[in-house]
Amino acid sequence: DAGVIQSPRHEVTEMGQEVTLRCKPISGHDYLFWYRQTMMRGLELLIYFNNNVPIDDSGMPEDRFSAKMPNASFSTLKIQPSEPRDSAVYFCASSLIRVADTQYFGPGTRLTVL
Amino acid sequence: DAKTTQPPSMDCAEGRAANLPCNHSTISGNEYVYWYRQIHSQGPQYIIHGLKNNETNEMASLIITEDRKSSTLILPHATLRDTAVYYCIVRPYNDYKLSFGAGTTVTVRA
Repeated sequence: DAGVIQSPRHEVTEMGQEVTLRCKPISGHDYLFWYRQTMMRGLELLIYFNNNVPIDDSGMPEDRFSAKMPNASFSTLKIQPSEPRDSAVYFCASSLIRVADTQYFGPGTRLTVL
Repeated sequence: DAKTTQPPSMDCAEGRAANLPCNHSTISGNEYVYWYRQIHSQGPQYIIHGLKNNETNEMASLIITEDRKSSTLILPHATLRDTAVYYCIVRPYNDYKLSFGAGTTVTVRA
């Protein structure tokens, strides 16, 4: 049973470029979460979806960030344009049925914006 | 507005039990205690959670005091692969938010 899958695992880009991070949640999970981790701020929740619908995006830092979930098995987090301060590890997590069920995290995408 | 307090770091000998304390003196009746860990360069990994009874699974045991103001995560036979940052999180049963603090950096030494 595969866990949460994220791609790419590492991304290096230049300031101003568009970056797209991808996530495949665990099959059958109804909730999907996007987190960001930096040394300064630790792990922060950016947005979460329930049945492909965004529920709470209050953690999205600014309009440059957007997230979509076109179907139950795929989600994207897009940054356009990217800035050096967006450099971080981005994690995707999913949980089963209830919003408070255990969250299972993917391996993360390490983003470096030069 | 930290809900939990953990020591910043601790060492443990390989093969011995590791006892990780967590204080949560302001915990409410509907809040669970969750433990996650994060091994270097990996995503957080769920370990165990509980409300008021002690819990055990294949990874660890969770001991919650009777007043629920503190708890201890026990790794019964620590291995080098248990070296990680361990997070104690208090969370209402109907809330999705996982608020990760600084955690405890556990180093298992051979």
